[in-house]
Amino acid sequence: AQKITQTQPGMFVQEKEAVTLDCTYDTSDPSYGLFWYKQPSSGEMIFLIYQGSYDQQNATEGRYSLNFQKARKSANLVISASQLGDSAMYFCAMRSAGGTSYGKLTFGQGTILTVHP
Amino acid sequence: DGGITQSPKYLFRKEGQNVTLSCEQNLNHDAMYWYRQDPGQGLRLIYYSQIVNDFQKGDIAEGYSVSREKKESFPLTVTSAQKNPTAFYLCASGRTSGNTDTQYFGPGTRLTVL
Repeated sequence: AQKITQTQPGMFVQEKEAVTLDCTYDTSDPSYGLFWYKQPSSGEMIFLIYQGSYDQQNATEGRYSLNFQKARKSANLVISASQLGDSAMYFCAMRSAGGTSYGKLTFGQGTILTVHP
Repeated sequence: DGGITQSPKYLFRKEGQNVTLSCEQNLNHDAMYWYRQDPGQGLRLIYYSQIVNDFQKGDIAEGYSVSREKKESFPLTVTSAQKNPTAFYLCASGRTSGNTDTQYFGPGTRLTVL
């Protein structure tokens, strides 16, 4: 069974500082994808960054980077130079092709990030 | 602009009524998905479709039905059999159903049962 765990219900960060949102996962599939999404108060899920299980380098997208530690099964999101607009709920998700999952996304419970001015 | 649209944004239903949520995409994606989100929770998969005229149940399909007659459209019907339908519903699409493929989401429909 696949599982995503986000242990931080809420995080606070000062504007312009960096913040790390934790994500650990569990799967027996050798091939999988890890995703981070941002959900502002409007509700829409915004794709931020993707990491493949066979990727050798950590993914980066602008101010977002993914700290992928395969042996520890962790995929933490790092947001550099936080902005007020980064305040939102953040979800870690995983897809794998094994078993009956058929590529569905399995989501964690989310972390609410609040950026203070 | 390419994207995913969902309508309506807000929907109110009386108990015992069926309602249909619309999802349309112009991204030329083969795969489409419906998720349900309850307050303070992650998303759970209701139904998905990898190709036209084919769809499969997800983790919480009971009380829901879908159709996929066109590539662009994947409507979700919430039937009276769904015991607790009040939730936020999100539609997503992806090029394929492969594990490396990104899913993109629509703006969502908030359903409230009165």
